[in-house]
Amino acid sequence: DAGITQSPRHKVTETGTPVTLRCHQTENHRYMYWYRQDPGHGLRLIHYSYGVKDTDKGEVSDGYSVSRSKTEDFLLTLESATSSQTSVYFCAISEGHGGTDTQYFGPGTRLTVL
Amino acid sequence: AQKVTQAQTEISVVEKEDVTLDCVYETRDTTYYLFWYKQPPSGELVFLIRRNSFDEQNEISGRYSWNFQKSTSSFNFTITASQVVDSAVYFCALSEDRYSSASKIIFGSGTRLSIRP
Repeated sequence: DAGITQSPRHKVTETGTPVTLRCHQTENHRYMYWYRQDPGHGLRLIHYSYGVKDTDKGEVSDGYSVSRSKTEDFLLTLESATSSQTSVYFCAISEGHGGTDTQYFGPGTRLTVL
Repeated sequence: AQKVTQAQTEISVVEKEDVTLDCVYETRDTTYYLFWYKQPPSGELVFLIRRNSFDEQNEISGRYSWNFQKSTSSFNFTITASQVVDSAVYFCALSEDRYSSASKIIFGSGTRLSIRP
């Protein structure tokens, strides 16, 4: 199993509060990703990183920011949480690049915004 | 545009039956990769298979098999002699080789498979 952990695993927060989710890997993989999973939508890419301090947007990036100061950690921040951001968030990693490598997923974080 | 369609939202079969999960994809590229992931009730996402667009050979792994047909843009997944432990949501996904900086995978909406004892 890929060494990926996510914290917290569950969080309940209120609208308007900031929230930070953490993804930690022990594989030293270059590429890291944040997805959200919602019923009927599968998984949708929020942001990804291709190296320390190198990040880019995915298809549903509005309302989210990310940071990667170390290879092993990729943080996802909701600056001001909204109820539409209630979801299950998955982090993923991949070793290589080029649009082809297999991504391995963390256990997920269930976020509820009241 | 890149798209993955899993038309079967939910499937329910009795244990030991064979079941096929359909996946149809759209892409403009000639080089691409297809994936299947399993999400059991516990919630984690488990990688099952990756297949590139130049390899149309069918794949078999135990009770699992995959049928890749470029002519119909399909990558179907069959479970033979299904078991209760196969109950899960299964996702088909597509990745094009056009992105030089990261592997962006587009997921289908998933098929929920229930195996009844």
